[in-house]
Order: sequence, then C-alpha cells, then structure tokens
Amino acid sequence: DAKTTQPNSMESNEEEPVHLPCNHSTISGTDYIHWYRQLPSQGPEYVIHGLTSNVNNRMASLAIAEDRKSSTLILHRATLRDAAVYYCIQSGAGFQKLVFGTGTRLLVSP
Amino acid sequence: SAVISQKPSRDICQRGTSLTIQCQVDSQVTMMFWYRQQPGQSLTLIATANQGSEATYESGFVIDKFPISRPNLTFSTLTVSNMSPEDSSIYLCSVEEQYNEQFFGPGTRLTVL
Repeated sequence: DAKTTQPNSMESNEEEPVHLPCNHSTISGTDYIHWYRQLPSQGPEYVIHGLTSNVNNRMASLAIAEDRKSSTLILHRATLRDAAVYYCIQSGAGFQKLVFGTGTRLLVSP
Repeated sequence: SAVISQKPSRDICQRGTSLTIQCQVDSQVTMMFWYRQQPGQSLTLIATANQGSEATYESGFVIDKFPISRPNLTFSTLTVSNMSPEDSSIYLCSVEEQYNEQFFGPGTRLTVL
C-alpha cells in the first residue's frame, strides 16, 4: 500500500506558482521522498527527490518539513504542459521499487 | 537519461491468448521494473527483473501469469498469459539508471476482448 497521502486534485492558473502537498507521517530516517508526474498518455517522469534538506532542480523545488512527515512540491510558474498527475512516493534509498498512490491531478487554466 | 522503448505500443488480443511485451533500453542497467496501470488507476508494480536471476514478483502477481525474461542488461520481456478482459491495462517498464531516478517507457496499451 502507498504510504503517502495527497489531495485528489488541485487547480492553478498559468504562470502562477503551485504548491502540491504530501503527507508521509510513517517515513523512516532513511526513506527518501520522490516526486514523479504522469502527463496524459505518457509514462511517469521523474521530477525531484530529497531526504532532509530542501532541493531545487530545473523542474521544481521540494520543501521538506523539519519533522519530515510532510513535504511540498513547488512549481514556480505553472504552464499548461504541467497539467499532469503528480505522485509523491516514500521509498528507501536507491534502486528500490516505487509504490505509487493515487496522486494529485493538477489542472492548469490559461 | 535512459531512453526506453517498448513494443508493441498497443495491441488488441482475444481472451485466452498470450502477448509478449518487449522493453529495450539504450544503456546497460542493473534493475528493470514492470508496472501495470489499469484504466483510470495508478501504477502497480508487477515485478522486479535483474539480469541473471529470477524476477521478484509482488503480491498478487505470479510467474505463470506474467513470465519475465531478462537475457541481458539492456532488454527484458513481460508476457501476459491466458489473457482475460481484466488484463486490459497499460503495461510499463522502467529502469533506475541513476541513483534514485527511475525512467519509464512509453507503455504498451493492451485491450483484451
């Protein structure tokens, strides 16, 4: 079973920031937080991952709570292409299977 | 990043038949994963396939129904055996080329009549 909890859906306007929350209250000290997204009719694609510190890459930022029981994926300026299902996954370090939950469907309006 | 291709991209099959799905990666990878995504649902892991060893199946999936081959570090196949309409899904393979980053194939859309 998935160990994370996410809202079913969220809406945003184009060019506005988006904050996608995730709860992972059972996370262990060595579990990573991974984010993937699935665009319509495509396989999932990696977005970002982190352990304790906040992380940034060209796609997004990941803000991890101090107690690590929750995190937020931040898209700084949403585009129409960012409309997808976003999955937050709690998993052990490298080369581990990913257990997908139901994810958050992000709708982006022009 | 790894480039993954799958064949076929889609197929329509009759119940009781079998279909073999191929997954080809453009680089050598240790671990490959096979997932199923039923209509409107999230992804469910079927099995993990390492080269040179038997695949490891998740609860609810058995080798007789979903035999997997992993003959080398760039290729794997998943067979869906004795198909029924309930097997209609998208089947995806993935690899972990870089630590903590999995790359997914485009998927094979299977419809069983």
